[in-house]
Amino acid sequence: SAVISQKPSRDICQRGTSLTIQCQVDSQVTMMFWYRQQPGQSLTLIATANQGSEATYESGFVIDKFPISRPNLTFSTLTVSNMSPEDSSIYLCSVTLMKGTTEAFFGQGTRLTVV
Amino acid sequence: KQEVTQIPAALSVPEGENLVLNCSFTDSAIYNLQWFRQDPGKGLTSLLLIQSSQREQTSGRLNASLDKSSGRSTLYIAASQPGDSATYLCAVRLEAGNMLTFGGGTRLMVKP
Repeated sequence: SAVISQKPSRDICQRGTSLTIQCQVDSQVTMMFWYRQQPGQSLTLIATANQGSEATYESGFVIDKFPISRPNLTFSTLTVSNMSPEDSSIYLCSVTLMKGTTEAFFGQGTRLTVV
Repeated sequence: KQEVTQIPAALSVPEGENLVLNCSFTDSAIYNLQWFRQDPGKGLTSLLLIQSSQREQTSGRLNASLDKSSGRSTLYIAASQPGDSATYLCAVRLEAGNMLTFGGGTRLMVKP
């Protein structure tokens, strides 16, 4: 399995500001993903974080709003830029390991409230 | 486009009951299927992973089955306990390493 440390666990932010969320994994992983879970909803994929290159974004998500970095195999950041109340959600980092099955593991999430 | 549906959306049962959560998906060409548990405001905990070649997986009081041809999976929870109260999410992966497509979840409440 993998232990994923996601920071911060929660934050309350003013509209118009930006927040960077960090995801650190204790194992080398193949894939890292960022998901959003809006209140009362299921998870939606934002993007796949690619090591050393630009992330791959899903329809409806753009790099200017959600810039992502992945400098190495065990670390990634997601920034939520120019926040509005509609960005209030839980943001989750997910990984699959290099060895073994393609089981997905998740961090504890970042609960973001924009006021 | 893969769509995943979970029924029921919410379930309330007395402690000790055996229960079944259902998950259906539209594209049967899946690589694997995973069941998760989510406590309120928290991340996801992986419960069971079923590869496309498998029919079922068991862990303690949990048993998950997969019928790929009909696009269905069920999660069976035996002798439910109040600590099982949580949202249960089903997710499918079409290709190895590809992202997961999630169902809407089943919100379970087990009453003492």
